[in-house]
Amino acid sequence: GESVGLHLPTLSVQEGDNSIINCAYSNSASDYFIWYKQESGKGPQFIIDIRSNMDKRQGQRVTVLLNKTVKHLSLQIAATQPGDSAVYFCAENTGGFKTIFGAGTRLFVKA
Amino acid sequence: DTGVSQDPRHKITKRGQNVTFRCDPISEHNRLYWYRQTLGQGPEFLTYFQNEAQLEKSRLLSDRFSAERPKGSFSTLEIQRTEQGDSAMYLCASSLGFWTSGSIPPNTGELFFGEGSRLTVL
Repeated sequence: GESVGLHLPTLSVQEGDNSIINCAYSNSASDYFIWYKQESGKGPQFIIDIRSNMDKRQGQRVTVLLNKTVKHLSLQIAATQPGDSAVYFCAENTGGFKTIFGAGTRLFVKA
Repeated sequence: DTGVSQDPRHKITKRGQNVTFRCDPISEHNRLYWYRQTLGQGPEFLTYFQNEAQLEKSRLLSDRFSAERPKGSFSTLEIQRTEQGDSAMYLCASSLGFWTSGSIPPNTGELFFGEGSRLTVL
């Protein structure tokens, strides 16, 4: 069935280090994946997306990796900053309109 | 500010009362979504509108819940006879969908969320 899960509920990193947030999905039909960032008291905000015909996509300080063989998705944040502290959600879509969110990983950045 | 706006931001009500939330999407977006989020969880899909048509409702949306988008612009989500289990953040999102001839509408991906309406049922 449709489900998106995360390996770790919390992640703590030192400022300046790289962060890696992992996500597993179970729906083989999912062909589009998105990472969202949610700060306290705000709605989720789009970070980066990737389609199933790609393995890697880079943005500004962020990289998303997709491994369809093991149904695994990761978000890498380079040179993590205090402003990156938030909850990060991976989400999947099967090409229709419904985006399914995972439970989220809370990222703490230590100064 | 031309983002998605939701009203009210906070609502405290007693069990059994009715509540209504309003969402104003980004003006050119024809797709509108309602999600529910409880503490420590990701947003859960509730319902979706393409213009004024409600195209899908989650089974999470019991018969006490009703959503409308009468003119294809703003939307309302009403909860009747509220229960304590309805306490959550209700998020609205919009997106711009593109249709291509003869195919499933492609998803443009990005959902633009409002800041949510937090409901507390006492």
